[in-house]
Amino acid sequence: DAMVIQNPRYQVTQFGKPVTLSCSQTLNHNVMYWYQQKSSQAPKLLFHYYDKDFNNEADTPDNFQSRRPNTSFCFLDIRSPGLGDAAMYLCATSRVGTGDSPLHFGNGTRLTVT
Amino acid sequence: QKEVEQNSGPLSVPEGAIASLNCTYSDRVSQSFFWYRQYSGKSPELIMSIYSNGDKEDGRFTAQLNKASQYVSLLIRDSQPSDSATYLCAVKRGNKLVFGAGTILRVKS
Repeated sequence: DAMVIQNPRYQVTQFGKPVTLSCSQTLNHNVMYWYQQKSSQAPKLLFHYYDKDFNNEADTPDNFQSRRPNTSFCFLDIRSPGLGDAAMYLCATSRVGTGDSPLHFGNGTRLTVT
Repeated sequence: QKEVEQNSGPLSVPEGAIASLNCTYSDRVSQSFFWYRQYSGKSPELIMSIYSNGDKEDGRFTAQLNKASQYVSLLIRDSQPSDSATYLCAVKRGNKLVFGAGTILRVKS
């Protein structure tokens, strides 16, 4: 089945230790998104890639970076995680342009910062 | 004012009843609207999309859109305990989806 896959499901990192979360898709969608969701809050968009074009949200901290080496993969890098970065990180994809599609989410990565 | 607003709930309904979930949005030019269901600890899953004024039905779910009032709702008929979850309203802005914080629904058997 075509899908969005996030690894790992659970990630524990130490305060200040860089961490990378990964996302892959078999849907061949041209847009990939990273959302951060804290408990009882709305998913908050950090950034998205439209094809190779990177689009950062104005309020996304510099501590968060992203890479999209090809259509299928996208990475979220947190350079120096703080306790406030503990959250669920959601990767999503969509097709924009000819026949727009809704967002399809991966299963998420739960990040714990100790 | 938040871009997408929902009552956080919880909304409690008895099994078999109709659950009514509401959402308002601030950007008048928005054209695409979505309802996602999110179980605790899981990622959101799409239930309904709606683009035109009026009602759209899919099984036990009906989405209603009123662009003049900037209002979207979701009705769940014959509510089941398995419908207990957080329901997120989302509005498309450009290439992005902006989410509300969600309404917690509890269906009691």
